[in-house]
Parts: sequence; C-alpha cells; structure tokens
Amino acid sequence: EAQVTQNPRYLITVTGKKLTVTCSQNMNHEYMSWYRQDPGLGLRQIYYSMNVEVTDKGDVPEGYKVSRKEKRNFPLILESPSPNQTSLYFCASSFFRSGTEAFFGQGTRLTVV
Amino acid sequence: GDSVTQMEGPVTLSEEAFLTINCTYTATGYPSLFWYVQYPGEGLQLLLKATKADDKGSNKGFEATYRKETTSFHLEKGSVQVSDSAVYFCALSETGTASKLTFGTGTRLQVTL
Repeated sequence: EAQVTQNPRYLITVTGKKLTVTCSQNMNHEYMSWYRQDPGLGLRQIYYSMNVEVTDKGDVPEGYKVSRKEKRNFPLILESPSPNQTSLYFCASSFFRSGTEAFFGQGTRLTVV
Repeated sequence: GDSVTQMEGPVTLSEEAFLTINCTYTATGYPSLFWYVQYPGEGLQLLLKATKADDKGSNKGFEATYRKETTSFHLEKGSVQVSDSAVYFCALSETGTASKLTFGTGTRLQVTL
C-alpha cells in the first residue's frame, strides 16, 4: 500500500529539548516536504527536498532542520523547540513535476511547554 | 508571490443540500489547481485537480472548474452527505516550482441530518 508514515503521532516536550519527527514514503518519490498547520493559516511549507542530499528552505524554516540521506526518509529536526513551534506537522511526498498528486502522512501533533 | 484565498468557515449544511466553497488564487505563472480534503484525525488527501484552463476536476460527486479569467476554482457538490464533513483546502502549484503546494486557510464543512 502506497503510504507516507510519520512518527510519532503525538508528542509533548519541553522547551529546548531536541526532537526528531520521522517521515518515510514507499512510492519512490523524489520530492518530499514538511508543512505545519495552524488555525487560520492553513498549511505552510517548512522545508523541502527535491532528491537525496538536496534540501531547501520553504516559507517558514526558522527553528527547523532536515536531512535527506536516503530517498525514502526525510526527518524533521527541532534542535531547541520553543512554544511557538506547537503545531500540527505533516510530511508529504510526490513526484517532481507540476500537477502531480501529493501524498500526506497522518500528522504529528507537537506541543512544546 | 502565490496565494490562495478561500471562503471562511465553518459551513454548516443539512444533508442533501448544495455545497459551494469559493476559492480564488493569485499566481505569476500558469498553475495547477487542487482541492484536498482532511477528515478528522487524518492527513490530507487529494479530492480533485485541474491542470489547465477550463479543465473540470471531479471525484466522489465533487466538481471544480479551472477558470483562468476569474482566477477561481470553486468546489461544488449537488447533494452533501454527513460523511462529507471535513476540512477542505484549495491549493496551487506553480509550473516553475513544480511540486510545491500553496494552500488556502481551509474551510470546515459540517453536514447534519
């Protein structure tokens, strides 16, 4: 079954404690990205990757890091989380061409206290 | 830059009512247009798409027509069901940026018996 898998689904952490949210896809997609969803703001892109070892900033990259060492995996790293990073996070993957469907993970609800 | 504007929610309808959710966009190029749906507790999934002017996307009774002259992509359904209750996102991807999606803020639809 084609899918994007994110873990964990829920996470509560304290300010400053490094965390990683994992994302894996099984569709051989080149393009992967991370979005955060906040009320009234829709989804905003944090980082994206066009292929292995190729990553770039999206619209709201501050406070986040990513890596793409393998085609299937695209972890999101918060090295020093702050309360304003409390949000719902989605990983997505697709083929790298215009008009193509993006597949989303089920989301990670992060709370930073 | 690119942007998507969609009508505010929540929208509450009785079962079998007609649904319209308005969506307009601003883009520098010639974008592809999408509607994604998010059911409670799940990630986003593609509902329908259109990649060129006058194309009509359709799926599960939902339809939307790509109107370049009015820069719109309104979502319609003739008779909604309780199972259609979800959040609907209008989105675009630009030709030059291939797979990046720019989302509207989302419209929550609640259908009651």
